[in-house]
Amino acid sequence: DTAVSQTPKYLVTQMGNDKSIKCEQNLGHDTMYWYKQDSKKFLKIMFSYNNKELIINETVPNRFSPKSPDKAHLNLHINSLELGDSAVYFCASSRGQGASYEQYFGPGTRLTVT
Amino acid sequence: AQSVTQPDIHITVSEGASLELRCNYSYGATPYLFWYVQSPGQGLQLLLKYFSGDTLVQGIKGFEAEFKRSQSSFNLRKPSVHWSDAAEYFCAVGASSGYSTLTFGKGTMLLVSP
Repeated sequence: DTAVSQTPKYLVTQMGNDKSIKCEQNLGHDTMYWYKQDSKKFLKIMFSYNNKELIINETVPNRFSPKSPDKAHLNLHINSLELGDSAVYFCASSRGQGASYEQYFGPGTRLTVT
Repeated sequence: AQSVTQPDIHITVSEGASLELRCNYSYGATPYLFWYVQSPGQGLQLLLKYFSGDTLVQGIKGFEAEFKRSQSSFNLRKPSVHWSDAAEYFCAVGASSGYSTLTFGKGTMLLVSP
């Protein structure tokens, strides 16, 4: 059983399009995250949700809009895609907020914008 | 603000040899420290973590790390490397209070030669 799953695994699209990435966790965790890993493997937090509420938004362009329909899901919608959005996007979850809670990562979604 | 430095971008180790990956952090108080491993095409997996107490922590897959406050370091070690250890390794720091997220280093790619 996959703990944190993401779909799709690969996403190739053209500039200006709108796309979504879905994330689901079956761990019963309260907190979920989106990270962006750039071409140099640098991993940076984008958003954090706790019990469906946004708690962290790390200076991400407002073209990125996360949505959490329930505690088990955190989707990422991206409008007007740009070349610089090409990256691997990771979803993660943890039992609670704060660094003391282990984060479990999904397999990643590789987004390529052409 | 917290930060992490991993000074080595790549390290090559012979199979069976010992390994040490370096990590230095910057944080005003005692931090929470983590090592994650990312195999090709996979998400991140937690190897070990340090919160407090014994400064030598044991993790999965035979890894250990030592917290040295005087050097602001949290180096990862393994006495005998296996070919399956080839991966990207990330050190991360989190604040020990509040709703902190993790700040990751830029990673060290471990290559294992036969």
